[in-house]
Amino acid sequence: EVQLVESGGGLVKPGGSLRLSCAASGFTFSSYSMNWVRQAPGKGLEWVSSISSSSSYIYYADSVKGRFTISRDNAKNSLYLQMNSLRAEDTAVYYCARDQMATNYFDYWGQGTLVTVSS
Amino acid sequence: DIQMTQSPSTLSASVGDRVTITCRASQSISSWLAWYQQKPGKAPKLLIYKASSLESGVPSRFSGSGSGTEFTLTISSLQPDDFATYYCQQYNSYSRTFGGGTKVEIK
Repeated sequence: EVQLVESGGGLVKPGGSLRLSCAASGFTFSSYSMNWVRQAPGKGLEWVSSISSSSSYIYYADSVKGRFTISRDNAKNSLYLQMNSLRAEDTAVYYCARDQMATNYFDYWGQGTLVTVSS
Repeated sequence: DIQMTQSPSTLSASVGDRVTITCRASQSISSWLAWYQQKPGKAPKLLIYKASSLESGVPSRFSGSGSGTEFTLTISSLQPDDFATYYCQQYNSYSRTFGGGTKVEIK
C-alpha cells in the first residue's frame, strides 16, 4: 500500500524557516517524481514544487521561487521542502503528492502538515 | 502560466441528481486534465486523468469529457458520499495549475 506521511509543520514567525519531510513507503520511491502542493485555510489547491526521480529536474511555483528548496533522498525514501523567508501567505496545509509514472498528475497524496506563519 | 477556471463555484443538488462541473483552460491543454475530489480535512483523491480516463476504484457514475480548453466532470446520479469539493488540474506544462474548486452541497 502506497503511504506518504508528512511531518515538520508548525508555527513559525515571519521571516523564519521550516523544513518539511515526507516519508514514502509501499512503492519504489526512486522511480517516481514527487511534489509539494499546498492549501491555505478555506482556499483551493496550489502546486508548490516538483522534483524528478533522480533530482535532475526541479520546478517551483513563482510564489515560492528563491525561498523554497525541494530535495529528496532516495536511499531514505524521503522528500523534503526547505522553506526560508516565510510569509503570512505561506500559511497552509502542505501535502506531499506522487506523480503517476511519466505524467504530471497526482495519484497519491499524504495527509498533509500544517504550517502557520504568524508573529 | 495556464489559468484554470471552474464553474460553478458552488452547486446545490439532491441525491440522484445528474451533476455537471465545467473547467476552462486559458489555452489549449490537449487532454492533459485531471479531476480530484476533496472532503473536509482530507487530502484530495484522484478521480479522472487524461480528461476522461477513470482512476481504478472510482465509481462509474463519475465521468469526464472534453479536450483543448473546455472540460466537464459529470456525476450521473449523485450519492450521499459525493458531497465534496471538486478540483480540476492541468498538467500540460511543468507548472501545474488547479481550478478554484466546485463545492457540491446538499439541496
